[in-house]
Amino acid sequence: GENVEQHPSTLSVQEGDSAVIKCTYSDSASNYFPWYKQELGKRPQLIIDIRSNVGEKKDQRIAVTLNKTAKHFSLHITETQPEDSAVYFCAVRGYSGGGADGLTFGKGTHLIIQP
Amino acid sequence: EPEVTQTPSHQVTQMGQEVILRCVPISNHLYFYWYRQILGQKVEFLVSFYNNEISEKSEIFDDQFSVERPDGSNFTLKIRSTKLEDSAMYFCAASNYPGTEAFFGQGTRLTVV
Repeated sequence: GENVEQHPSTLSVQEGDSAVIKCTYSDSASNYFPWYKQELGKRPQLIIDIRSNVGEKKDQRIAVTLNKTAKHFSLHITETQPEDSAVYFCAVRGYSGGGADGLTFGKGTHLIIQP
Repeated sequence: EPEVTQTPSHQVTQMGQEVILRCVPISNHLYFYWYRQILGQKVEFLVSFYNNEISEKSEIFDDQFSVERPDGSNFTLKIRSTKLEDSAMYFCAASNYPGTEAFFGQGTRLTVV
């Protein structure tokens, strides 16, 4: 099955600086790569996603890059703000041909924004 | 933003008892999922459901688990005989096409005592 590694497990940055979180995956057939933000006690919320036919996607302060050859993708947050503090999960959806493939999640990165 | 609604928000049950967790997906979504998250850990896929049948299931989804869509709207997860290690947050999710984002419900916290 799919194996997703996420680094770092904890990231502390000064407010206004950038944060980068990286994930690698094992199955070259995987074709969908979302990122979720989870605040304490809340549901995971999709913040950005990318599909395998695209190398980069940006939405305001958030961007995701995908390197299919190397099987890794990264989340970039610029001009970080206190409300960006949360746990961020990367996820990968494979394609088995059976229809509704589930997401395989990374272990999460606890992002701490220091004021 | 579209809502996936889950009930109850918190369920406490004794070991060995059956529990049913309920989800009302977004009306035009066709693919339904259950995930679980043990406290402080990552989100884990349990099962996906499409066209009134299981599409994919993980190793976690053993014979103690079952899913169904009894009335065309609710999507349920049943755990037949709960174990202490079933204690977790269970999230329902929905999407309108395989390979698109999944909208997560707010979760049901299951505590097995």
